[in-house]
Amino acid sequence: AQKVTQAQTEISVVEKEDVTLDCVYETRDTTYYLFWYKQPPSGELVFLIRRNSFDEQNEISGRYSWNFQKSTSSFNFTITASQVVDSAVYFCALVGQGGSEKLVFGKGTKLTVNP
Amino acid sequence: AAGVIQSPRHLIKEKRETATLKCYPIPRHDTVYWYQQGPGQDPQFLISFYEKMQSDKGSIPDRFSAQQFSDYHSELNMSSLELGDSALYFCASNLAEVDFNEQFFGPGTRLTVL
Repeated sequence: AQKVTQAQTEISVVEKEDVTLDCVYETRDTTYYLFWYKQPPSGELVFLIRRNSFDEQNEISGRYSWNFQKSTSSFNFTITASQVVDSAVYFCALVGQGGSEKLVFGKGTKLTVNP
Repeated sequence: AAGVIQSPRHLIKEKRETATLKCYPIPRHDTVYWYQQGPGQDPQFLISFYEKMQSDKGSIPDRFSAQQFSDYHSELNMSSLELGDSALYFCASNLAEVDFNEQFFGPGTRLTVL
């Protein structure tokens, strides 16, 4: 079975602080993909990044960066110099290549950035 | 670029009524997925279709049924609605041979059951 754990239910920071959202996953598939989605209060799911299991390179996109470590089954997400517009629920998700194509989501982390 | 279209965006129903949610995938996409997200919850997979055939099934209640039509759009039919069916319903699509592991999400349909 596949599982995604986001241990942080809620995080509150002050604008311009850096914040890291943790994601730990479990899968028996050797090939799998990890995702991060942002869900603002309006409700839509905004795709942020996809990473496959063979690519452990860290990625940076503007103020966002991701750290993928297979050794610890983690795929953490860091926002640098947070802004009020970053306030949202962030979901980490996993899809394996062992038959089912469904995305398995973590419970989400609600990030509040205060001015 | 064209995105996944879901209609209606908002729907209010009474208990025991029926509801039909529609999903129009991105043009040329052959696979559709449905997810249900209850208040404060993560999205949960319901069902998926590939080339008009059901390809996978999650925790979808027997009161729900779905299908994918010849034009690849999909409909989720929900009968005998219960208060607990109030949720955000997402549809996602992809082109299986190309985007196997990436699903493009629609904006969601917010269903409220009173």
